[in-house]
Amino acid sequence: DAGVIQSPRHEVTEMGQEVTLRCKPISGHDYLFWYRQTMMRGLELLIYFNNNVPIDDSGMPEDRFSAKMPNASFSTLKIQPSEPRDSAVYFCASSPPPSKRGETQYFGPGTRLLVL
Amino acid sequence: KQEVTQIPAALSVPEGENLVLNCSFTDSAIYNLQWFRQDPGKGLTSLLLIQSSQREQTSGRLNASLDKSSGRSTLYIAASQPGDSATYLCAVEQTGANNLFFGTGTRLTVIP
Repeated sequence: DAGVIQSPRHEVTEMGQEVTLRCKPISGHDYLFWYRQTMMRGLELLIYFNNNVPIDDSGMPEDRFSAKMPNASFSTLKIQPSEPRDSAVYFCASSPPPSKRGETQYFGPGTRLLVL
Repeated sequence: KQEVTQIPAALSVPEGENLVLNCSFTDSAIYNLQWFRQDPGKGLTSLLLIQSSQREQTSGRLNASLDKSSGRSTLYIAASQPGDSATYLCAVEQTGANNLFFGTGTRLTVIP
């Protein structure tokens, strides 16, 4: 398996522009997580899905952020409009169903976002 | 809300030294605790996972312990090598939740 795939790896945009981050989880994993990592706040959970359904989005900072999972193999995190304080590394992770717990979450390489 | 703390924030040791990284958490109702490694500009790699019913896990030169009642875990690295230089993150999965709560990490530098 190729692991969790994220695109783009780097994104530089101007304030006010729309940003879309993409994630392909590991096949067979039915949990998908979006995290954000900053120097100030470390790694924070934004939202997670179970079987394509959003379960907990309490970490989404504000209405400018939205996430979707239209099918088991694809998810997007969208920021509109983007602001400089959104600059961070965004990680996607997936994990297997609870019956196979004992396995960890598998992280993608991250998308490094810079909003100017 | 679960709070995870890691001490020290940074550590520099000479090659060959044994070292201990510390992690503490405020809510002992956890499902498991995990230690991850993060290299600069890269994602996270899982090192060890300890279920709540376990006391420790070992992998090669790494040993992680868990004391759930006191809300503490340690990661012991034996005979450190320059290749061990990275940031080490502790994370807990809370009972009833599926997400991980991360500590802020310990940045380790092993000097040749």
